[in-house]
Amino acid sequence: AQKVTQAQTEISVVEKEDVTLDCVYETRDTTYYLFWYKQPPSGELVFLIRRNSFDEQNEISGRYSWNFQKSTSSFNFTITASQVVDSAVYFCALSEFYNQGGKLIFGQGTELSVKP
Amino acid sequence: EAGVAQSPRYKIIEKRQSVAFWCNPISGHATLYWYQQILGQGPKLLIQFQNNGVVDDSQLPKDRFSAERLKGVDSTLKIQPAKLEDSAVYLCASSLAGAEGETQYFGPGTRLLVL
Repeated sequence: AQKVTQAQTEISVVEKEDVTLDCVYETRDTTYYLFWYKQPPSGELVFLIRRNSFDEQNEISGRYSWNFQKSTSSFNFTITASQVVDSAVYFCALSEFYNQGGKLIFGQGTELSVKP
Repeated sequence: EAGVAQSPRYKIIEKRQSVAFWCNPISGHATLYWYQQILGQGPKLLIQFQNNGVVDDSQLPKDRFSAERLKGVDSTLKIQPAKLEDSAVYLCASSLAGAEGETQYFGPGTRLLVL
């Protein structure tokens, strides 16, 4: 069955520290897509990144980087030199190819608190 | 480009009352989703529309929840009668065509509190 696990419920760091948010997924499909969304206190889910199962290249965007490893079914997210504005709940999500319509299956979320 | 719009942003009702939420997707997006997010959890899909047709409503509690998207643009989600466990954030999202793996863009959500 499809499932996304974010084992870290809450993480607290001091500004400028690096932090990694873990995401482990389960799927029986060979074609699937993985996403990260950020949910600030305002409540809106902000799209960060989308990867498909055939592209295992790591990606870097500014202070953000993502490490996708099919061998361990993980799609981890690292913030380098964290800032207070990074404080939010971060969600990892899975979309399976056989699950027509693009339904997203979300993890429980990791609440990141960056203190000055 | 305008994002997904939702209203109201907040709603407080008594149990057994009815409530309705409205969503206007990004212009040109054929697919619209309603998700329910209970405090401390990730969003869960309630219903998905492709234009004005329902693609997936398998997790919609049909005895009390209903949704429509009559003209294939904006949508309304209704709860009648509400229960205490319906307290949650209701998120609307849209995507261009609803294809597998397509990015969904979310609105600000409606926070519902049922007393």
